[in-house]
Amino acid sequence: SAVISQKPSRDICQRGTSLTIQCQVDSQVTMMFWYRQQPGQSLTLIATANQGSEATYESGFVIDKFPISRPNLTFSTLTVSNMSPEDSSIYLCSAMEGASGNTIYFGEGSWLTVV
Amino acid sequence: QKEVEQDPGPLSVPEGAIVSLNCTYSNSAFQYFMWYRQYSRKGPELLMYTYSSGNKEDGRFTAQVDKSSKYISLFIRDSQPSDSATYLCAMRSSNDYKLSFGAGTTVTVRA
Repeated sequence: SAVISQKPSRDICQRGTSLTIQCQVDSQVTMMFWYRQQPGQSLTLIATANQGSEATYESGFVIDKFPISRPNLTFSTLTVSNMSPEDSSIYLCSAMEGASGNTIYFGEGSWLTVV
Repeated sequence: QKEVEQDPGPLSVPEGAIVSLNCTYSNSAFQYFMWYRQYSRKGPELLMYTYSSGNKEDGRFTAQVDKSSKYISLFIRDSQPSDSATYLCAMRSSNDYKLSFGAGTTVTVRA
């Protein structure tokens, strides 16, 4: 299975600042995603990171707030911009191996606290 | 109504018991079903996936799908303290790789 590494694993951020989370997969994957898991809640898809083109965002998430890059098949970044305490959450990078869509793996998450 | 409803728990069982976890869904387009295990302060770990109605076994784990009732289950046999975690069901349609998750059920297996 794909091994997904995220950096930073956790951070405390000041209100109004931005933070970029990096995601590295140890093998080429067909698709990469970014999810958010708010405290005590389940996972919500933010966007699909498309290689070499703009990410596809889910309802309620916009590019200005969550810009995403995916320059190649193994790497993606998510930036959380102009952070507020409501952005305190776990941000999870996810990757799909193969074309079946059944083997979707997650990184360990980046735990952000905005103060 | 949420697309995916999961029994909230929490569940506390003695070691060796069978753990039963359940999810229901409303979207008949969902065709692929996964179960993830999430330990505290860790990312979700894929346990099993299935796309057919019926049972699928993998060691101590059995995933069950009933598409006619829009109901899926995960059974853990001979539960161990190391099975203590939050279990998340997830599902997707055949033309979309986006996963819809249940809220998760936290399980504690008592030694």
